[in-house]
Amino acid sequence: EAGVTQFPSHSVIEKGQTVTLRCDPISGHDNLYWYRRVMGKEIKFLLHFVKESKQDESGMPNNRFLAERTGGTYSTLKVQPAELEDSGVYFCASSQGQPRGYTFGSGTRLTVV
Amino acid sequence: DQQVKQNSPSLSVQEGRISILNCDYTNSMFDYFLWYKKYPAEGPTFLISISSIKDKNEDGRFTVFLNKSAKHLSLHIVPSQPGDSAVYFCAAILIYNFNKFYFGSGTKLNVKP
Repeated sequence: EAGVTQFPSHSVIEKGQTVTLRCDPISGHDNLYWYRRVMGKEIKFLLHFVKESKQDESGMPNNRFLAERTGGTYSTLKVQPAELEDSGVYFCASSQGQPRGYTFGSGTRLTVV
Repeated sequence: DQQVKQNSPSLSVQEGRISILNCDYTNSMFDYFLWYKKYPAEGPTFLISISSIKDKNEDGRFTVFLNKSAKHLSLHIVPSQPGDSAVYFCAAILIYNFNKFYFGSGTKLNVKP
């Protein structure tokens, strides 16, 4: 079974530019999550999709962040325009609803310069 | 405000000895707790969990202890092996929302041969 795939693994962009991160969940997983770890701090929840619907987006930092999951398959997280404080590692996870069943991707390391 | 705290950023242990990683939380509504292990350039992987109705859960070399009155949990690894060297994250889930994890900032464990 393929795991959760994230692309790109690394991205370096200038302040003010736009970046789009992609996540391909495990096939058949209805639940998809985005998390972020900034500068060695805690991993923070961003949002949760159930299929194509946003179930909880309480962790999204501001309106520069836009997440989509068209068709209930892969998801994208766009940051526009990027700011320095957006730097960090963005993790995607998917599950079929059981907490122990969360599977994380290897993350996208975003550096805004 | 961080609701799950891991106050030790790092821990160094000799191979064969016991590793004890600690985690404190502030929200008494947390109902389920998990430990994740993360190697460099990989996503967090599930290690062990415990429900709030228990005070101990054991899986091979790994044991998690929960002290609800103190709002404290710990992960014991015995005996420690060099392959256990990784960052360990504590996570908690609220009773009414199993789809949002609250993570600590992680403890980097180094097991010396």
